[in-house]
Amino acid sequence: QVQLVESGGGLVKPGGSLRLSCAASGFTFSDYYMSWIRQAPGKGLEWVSYISSSSSYTNYADSVKGRFTISRDNAKNSLYLQMNSLRAEDTAVYYCARGDGTVHTNWGQGTLVTVSS
Amino acid sequence: QSALTQPPSVSGSPGQSVTISCTGTSSDVGSYNRVSWYQQPPGTAPKLMIYEVSNRPSGVPDRFSGSKSGNTASLTISGLQAEDEADYYCSLYTSSSGYVFGTGTKVTVL
Repeated sequence: QVQLVESGGGLVKPGGSLRLSCAASGFTFSDYYMSWIRQAPGKGLEWVSYISSSSSYTNYADSVKGRFTISRDNAKNSLYLQMNSLRAEDTAVYYCARGDGTVHTNWGQGTLVTVSS
Repeated sequence: QSALTQPPSVSGSPGQSVTISCTGTSSDVGSYNRVSWYQQPPGTAPKLMIYEVSNRPSGVPDRFSGSKSGNTASLTISGLQAEDEADYYCSLYTSSSGYVFGTGTKVTVL
């Protein structure tokens, strides 16, 4: 079955960097768009970024544009999110999700990123 | 793109029906049939419940239904069950803005 497993979260100081990874299995990874979606503690969902199946197209939320970079390695069935210039408001659980048309059909369990001094 | 507006909470007794609204504008919800709904029980990842306004993925009970009128989409849960207690989010995709989520609604089963 479809599995998405995020890793790489942790505690980082404001202004610091972190790289999240998402390992995918149970489907042909290279056929699907993939997204990162986050949820601040006690708050709602916020879409962060998506990448096309061949990496030819990416899109970002205004809140992270210029600071975050999404990428993927189809040979390794892996999705990444490079996060730079982190701010306190980036503190959240980060989910990777499989895109199918205009929806996210499968989600990982998330990895917590905490930005604090 | 601003978040879509949902009521913070709705509640109902087992067996009753509840409806959650998701209000946008004529430029987003009113223009596209790309509204989806996600269920998020406490401490878990979201799960897709409805796509393209009113379609249910395989495995989602037919107690869950979706509709849209004008700038407002709605999710109705009929025959409410204890296991339906969760947060629910609407979502919309537009090619210009990417994805936007609703503010979220907590469903409580009394």
